[in-house]
Amino acid sequence: AQSVTQLDSQVPVFEEAPVELRCNYSSSVSVYLFWYVQYPNQGLQLLLKYLSGSTLVKGINGFEAEFNKSQTSFHLRKPSVHISDTAEYFCAVSENTGFQKLVFGTGTRLLVSP
Amino acid sequence: NAGVMQNPRHLVRRRGQEARLRCSPMKGHSHVYWYRQLPEEGLKFMVYLQKENIIDESGMPKERFSAEFPKEGPSILRIQQVVRGDSAAYFCASSPPPSNTEAFFGQGTRLTVV
Repeated sequence: AQSVTQLDSQVPVFEEAPVELRCNYSSSVSVYLFWYVQYPNQGLQLLLKYLSGSTLVKGINGFEAEFNKSQTSFHLRKPSVHISDTAEYFCAVSENTGFQKLVFGTGTRLLVSP
Repeated sequence: NAGVMQNPRHLVRRRGQEARLRCSPMKGHSHVYWYRQLPEEGLKFMVYLQKENIIDESGMPKERFSAEFPKEGPSILRIQQVVRGDSAAYFCASSPPPSNTEAFFGQGTRLTVV
């Protein structure tokens, strides 16, 4: 079974500052890794995913994440945030035997202020 | 190509009533997943269905909850005799065959039990 830990429930940051949202996972098998964003009263939108290959993954809206197998981490970063990035961010894993089901972290609320 | 469609977006039920949540997957997608998001929590997997088959229902409560994905028509998540603790956002996701590595989420149905 897999599990995902997002240690920061809320991250406040000023506009144009860099941000890192942390995600650690545990699994006895190889996994795929995902970051989703949820805007208020909306569904989830995929930001980026790691399947294999390069450990640095680039996604939409200027976000990127780095897969670190030895530390079982998949932290999300953005060099300069905008007010519009204010949202809930979820890290998730699934077994890499083809998409089956996602195991989500509890989410990190990113609050960007002017 | 329309996305995953869920209806209704908001549903209010009195304790003891039945709730029916509908999900129409993206065109060409034959796999449907239901997730539940309790307030201030991440999404929890409930059930994974293919047309006319339940593949994995390990996240479904043992009583009062059922799901189906008939040959024709949307997938239905049914909650009988709702209780206050059923109040949550219920999200549906769909994907092509399991070798695909991404699921697309609908905007969710927010169930409120009064």
